[in-house]
Amino acid sequence: EDQVTQSPEALRLQEGESSSLNCSYTVSGLRGLFWYRQDPGKGPEFLFTLYSAGEEKEKERLKATLTKKESFLHITAPKPEDSATYLCAVQAKKGGGSEKLVFGKGTKLTVNP
Amino acid sequence: ETGVTQSPTHLIKTRGQQVTLRCSSQSGHNTVSWYQQALGQGPQFIFQYYREEENGRGNFPPRFSGLQFPNYSSELNVNALELDDSALYLCASSLSLPVNEQYFGPGTRLTVT
Repeated sequence: EDQVTQSPEALRLQEGESSSLNCSYTVSGLRGLFWYRQDPGKGPEFLFTLYSAGEEKEKERLKATLTKKESFLHITAPKPEDSATYLCAVQAKKGGGSEKLVFGKGTKLTVNP
Repeated sequence: ETGVTQSPTHLIKTRGQQVTLRCSSQSGHNTVSWYQQALGQGPQFIFQYYREEENGRGNFPPRFSGLQFPNYSSELNVNALELDDSALYLCASSLSLPVNEQYFGPGTRLTVT
């Protein structure tokens, strides 16, 4: 069964204090790994898709990396507006059937001014 | 280009009642997926529709059913509501199969009393 584990569950940073969020996964053939940002009471907002080990993608203060067993979301010099829950999801290669995403529980990030 | 929209935003139902939630997919997208997100959890896959046909289902009972219309909008129906059905219901659309990025709507908050 495909599984995603995110750590830590919650992270509190001071503005400008860089850190990383972890997403460990087990999947029978990875098709893609996705990062989303979710603000309270809202739908997840797409950030990145990573397809193969060694791949990296960047967007503003965020950088996502992928290995064969985990992904990291690095946050450089965060600002209070980066406060949100960050969700990681995997999609498995399957012949036929659904193209579903399997999500972790998320990491709740709080950035204090 | 409009994003994914969902209606209603919130609703309150009584145990045993039936509910219909609606989703309009992003322009040009023919694939819709539905997810249930309980408080403090990641989204869980309910089912997916591709060009009006169900394309896979998660571990949800048959009282969760859906439809996709020719314009690719979609409905989620839940019969015989239970207290545990209280959650944020998310609709996500994607361009086609195989699915890459899924773009989420704002969700419908369902409370069952």
